[in-house]
Amino acid sequence: KAGVTQTPRYLIKTRGQQVTLSCSPISGHRSVSWYQQTPGQGLQFLFEYFSETQRNKGNFPGRFSGRQFSNSRSEMNVSTLELGDSALYLCASRAGQRAYEQYFGPGTRLTVT
Amino acid sequence: AQTVTQSQPEMSVQEAETVTLSCTYDTSESDYYLFWYKQPPSRQMILVIRQEAYKQQNATENRFSVNFQKAAKSFSLKISDSQLGDAAMYFCAYRSGFRDDKIIFGKGTRLHILP
Repeated sequence: KAGVTQTPRYLIKTRGQQVTLSCSPISGHRSVSWYQQTPGQGLQFLFEYFSETQRNKGNFPGRFSGRQFSNSRSEMNVSTLELGDSALYLCASRAGQRAYEQYFGPGTRLTVT
Repeated sequence: AQTVTQSQPEMSVQEAETVTLSCTYDTSESDYYLFWYKQPPSRQMILVIRQEAYKQQNATENRFSVNFQKAAKSFSLKISDSQLGDAAMYFCAYRSGFRDDKIIFGKGTRLHILP
């Protein structure tokens, strides 16, 4: 079974631009979570989607948004990029709301200049 | 709110020796899950081991084992016979067993394996 995939793997953007990251969960998994990882803040939870509905949300500004499609694929969008948004963005999937194991993708390295 | 603390930002161990990574957590819940994740330089986060709070027996996965002290809210990871491939960032994590809530991660411990 294929693992969690994320595209693109690397991205360079300019301040003020917007970006969309994509995540495809493991086949059959219906829950997708997004995390931001930086050296200073560590892993911070962004949001989780289950069956196209946002179930949990972290403490990030409204510039960070996401959605999930009927095939469980998820996208994360960041508008009006700031230098501080440079980070590794990780996506993780799990089978369902009661499944406690998450499986992570390789991440998307976003650099904002 | 639940918190997870890893007090050792970095550790080193000689190859083939044993190392223990510390983790403490704070929660008022009685039902929860604890995890150790490994993130090697390739960046893919991998689940190493998990522990259900209601289980008294410490979880073991090959060379990896945990020392779960529920009363002390401590969850340490022991790696036996350390190998070069064990070099990575290790994250301790917590998830509530009652609420469908996010996983809370510690800041991580970077483990170096000395040949």
